[in-house]
Formats: sequence, structure tokens, C-alpha cells
Amino acid sequence: SQQGEEDPQALSIQEGENATMNCSYKTSINNLQWYRQNSGRGLVHLILIRSNEREKHSGRLRVTLDTSKKSSSLLITASRAADTASYFCARDNQAGTALIFGKGTTLSVSS
Amino acid sequence: GAVVSQHPSRVICKSGTSVKIECRSLDFQATTMFWYRQFPKQSLMLMATSNEGSKATYEQGVEKDKFLINHASLTLSTLTVTSAHPEDSSFYICSAGPGGVFYEQYFGPGTRLTVT
Repeated sequence: SQQGEEDPQALSIQEGENATMNCSYKTSINNLQWYRQNSGRGLVHLILIRSNEREKHSGRLRVTLDTSKKSSSLLITASRAADTASYFCARDNQAGTALIFGKGTTLSVSS
Repeated sequence: GAVVSQHPSRVICKSGTSVKIECRSLDFQATTMFWYRQFPKQSLMLMATSNEGSKATYEQGVEKDKFLINHASLTLSTLTVTSAHPEDSSFYICSAGPGGVFYEQYFGPGTRLTVT
């Protein structure tokens, strides 16, 4: 399968805590993207990090990329109940013509 | 950000009938659009890449005669599920982006297909 692996598959935390999700992949990439999906809805883009970047921030989100380990992580700080959703990493395929999604992490934040 | 719409949001059809799903980019032109399928609590599986003015590129294992894709304009791609069967029931999502896969993709809200 071309899909990357994400861990954990599910994560339950309390409001105010930080949530860290990891993504690994097998082939070289041009960029890696993180998306969020609320149940039964479309996906919303969160952050894109290019292969020559190591870290990127957007509000309470922090994404790191380690191309030597072929892995990325998404950190959500000071989580809120509204952060409850599934989070997916996506990388471009080797031809650079499509996005391949990881299996996703389901985050549940309780108040 | 850019907006991608999908229609219908939900559809129920009988086995053997065909269903058409539309994906529109509302405020940008998209020479390429992508169609995904998602089963409950699973990730998105890329089905095909829709190319404006040319044939779609299908992923391995996706039947091109069953999932017909037409990308007749720079803002519209359609996916037609032909001779639908209950196993085709799924959540279908399209995406597009003005910069292709090297930039963020904008996703439609998805279409829930139920085949009875």
C-alpha cells in the first residue's frame, strides 16, 4: 500500500492538553500536508510543509518534518473540544501527480 | 480559501441504476481534480485523477468502466457510478487546487452514496 502510517490511530485527551500525532512514509516527497476531517464532512487543509523545511507553525498547530526518518508530526497545543476530528497526513506520490493519504488519527477532546 | 462544491450531498439509489456526482471549483480553475472514496472510519483512497480535456487516470484496482469520470470544463468534474451495487455504497469526496498537489487541496463536502 502507498498509504503512510499514522499513530496513534486514536487519541483521547482532556481540554487544555497537547495532542501529538505522527505520520511515517516510505518514499521521497516534495511536500507533506496535514488535513482535518470532521465526521461525515470534507477535509480542511491545516498545514503544508515542504521537504526542505523542518518545522512550521500555524496558530496552535506545529508540524515537524524529518526527511531522514521519513516522518512528520502534528502537535496541537492547548486542545479544545472543537479540535475533536480525524487528522490525516498526505504526501505527494512519486510522480507528483496526486496526494496519498495516511490512515489518520482520530482525536477526541473532552471538556 | 478557495471553495469546492459537491452535489448531491446524499443520494440513495437502487441496485443497477447509475448515479452522477458533480464536483465544482467555484472560484478558481482546476485542470486537475481528484476523486476519493472513503469507507467508515477509514482513510481516503484515491480513485482517479480527472484531467480537463483528456482521459482520467485511474488508480490500480479501480474499474474505469464502472466509475466514469468526465472533466469537461475547468470548473467541473463528474463521477458517474454505473450499474451501482450495494458494495459501491460509500462516501465519495473530490478535491482540487489551483496549484496542483504541490499546494493545498480544497475538498468538496462529500457525497454519501447508499445503494439499496
